[in-house]
Amino acid sequence: DTGVSQDPRHKITKRGQNVTFRCDPISEHNRLYWYRQTLGQGPEFLTYFQNEAQLEKSRLLSDRFSAERPKGSFSTLEIQRTEQGDSAMYLCASTREGSTDTQYFGPGTRLTVL
Amino acid sequence: QKEVEQNSGPLSVPEGAIASLNCTYSDRGSQSFFWYRQYSGKSPELIMFIYSNGDKEDGRFTAQLNKASQYVSLLIRDSQPSDSATYLCAVFISSGSARQLTFGSGTQLTVLP
Repeated sequence: DTGVSQDPRHKITKRGQNVTFRCDPISEHNRLYWYRQTLGQGPEFLTYFQNEAQLEKSRLLSDRFSAERPKGSFSTLEIQRTEQGDSAMYLCASTREGSTDTQYFGPGTRLTVL
Repeated sequence: QKEVEQNSGPLSVPEGAIASLNCTYSDRGSQSFFWYRQYSGKSPELIMFIYSNGDKEDGRFTAQLNKASQYVSLLIRDSQPSDSATYLCAVFISSGSARQLTFGSGTQLTVLP
């Protein structure tokens, strides 16, 4: 399988805990995007990387959210001090530069904050 | 005004009929347009994209774009029960280093056997 992968697929945590999600893009894709999706809504853009550079992060929901892509391959999204309102599906997508920016999504990580 | 608007539905069509899904967008700088299908509990799956005015066909799917009217549509011919899903319209804009895909809330389609 050469698609986008995400880990874990499901995460249940208690309010106040920190969580980290991982995304592995399609191997030749140098752009990686993170989205959040809540019930009944479309995915909401959070941030994106071109190679290891984070080129847009103003849409991260608060300073509790951060993302990294240290070697330009996989990426992590961390949420510190989780709140119940953080419960959502977190989606990762990747695309190859010069490919009309067609984004392919991973299976997502479903976060539940108790 | 939302940047990308879709009728939330639900839209129901009988098996074999044509399903028509519509989307409007507010930013005239939008450059390309995507349709994704999303089954309940799953992630979005790309159906097709379009960036030029007119029609683009791929199998049973036809995307239509009218930039003057800021309108995108997706037609599904010979609808099948397996087409029952939420269809997401997405609009792409790039400006300098900023690149962003903005989604509508989706239209829920049910194809009745």
